[in-house]
Amino acid sequence: GQQVMQIPQYQHVQEGEDFTTYCNSSTTLSNIQWYKQRPGGHPVFLIQLVKSGEVKKQKRLTFQFGEAKKNSSLHITATQTTDVGTYFCAGTRGNEKLTFGTGTRLTIIP
Amino acid sequence: NAGVTQTPKFQVLKTGQSMTLQCAQDMNHEYMSWYRQDPGMGLRLIHYSVGAGITDQGEVPNGYNVSRSTTEDFPLRLLSAAPSQTSVYFCASSQDSNTEAFFGQGTRLTVV
Repeated sequence: GQQVMQIPQYQHVQEGEDFTTYCNSSTTLSNIQWYKQRPGGHPVFLIQLVKSGEVKKQKRLTFQFGEAKKNSSLHITATQTTDVGTYFCAGTRGNEKLTFGTGTRLTIIP
Repeated sequence: NAGVTQTPKFQVLKTGQSMTLQCAQDMNHEYMSWYRQDPGMGLRLIHYSVGAGITDQGEVPNGYNVSRSTTEDFPLRLLSAAPSQTSVYFCASSQDSNTEAFFGQGTRLTVV
């Protein structure tokens, strides 16, 4: 079945440093979605990428979808304490179920 | 709009007990799903539904039942609770599997 892996599992950074999480699928995806879950909260949608090689930006966050549509990345520039949380990617193949990655938990050292 | 409403927020069960986690959405979404979240395991799909009257299994369906008699409601039933089912459960809904998913607040379940 479809598997979506994320690395790293945990990341600790000094405030102001950059952060990147990588998402890899065993199969070609129709699209990739990214979610953020604050500690004690529920996942909240950030963005969706659909096209091969697509790059989207949201302020300090940059999202990329690989050319083969099997991998994706989320890069945060100059992290802030508000970036703390777990970041999940999620993907589908066609109209199949949405499968989530294992998540990357980001902690910030002030 | 309330979005996705999950109840209860917390629950403690004894091994062997049964219970139903409730999930309701008021966005007229067709696609609804249940996930469990365990440390280091991410969000694992238990069951999902693409519309009223249609349900299907996810990655970890054993020990759980679902039904979708209406568009709004998608309850998750634990038939005979086991300690391995201790987890945080999230219900989500979206227009379809390729669009933004809205999550409920989660249910923290402990089975002793």
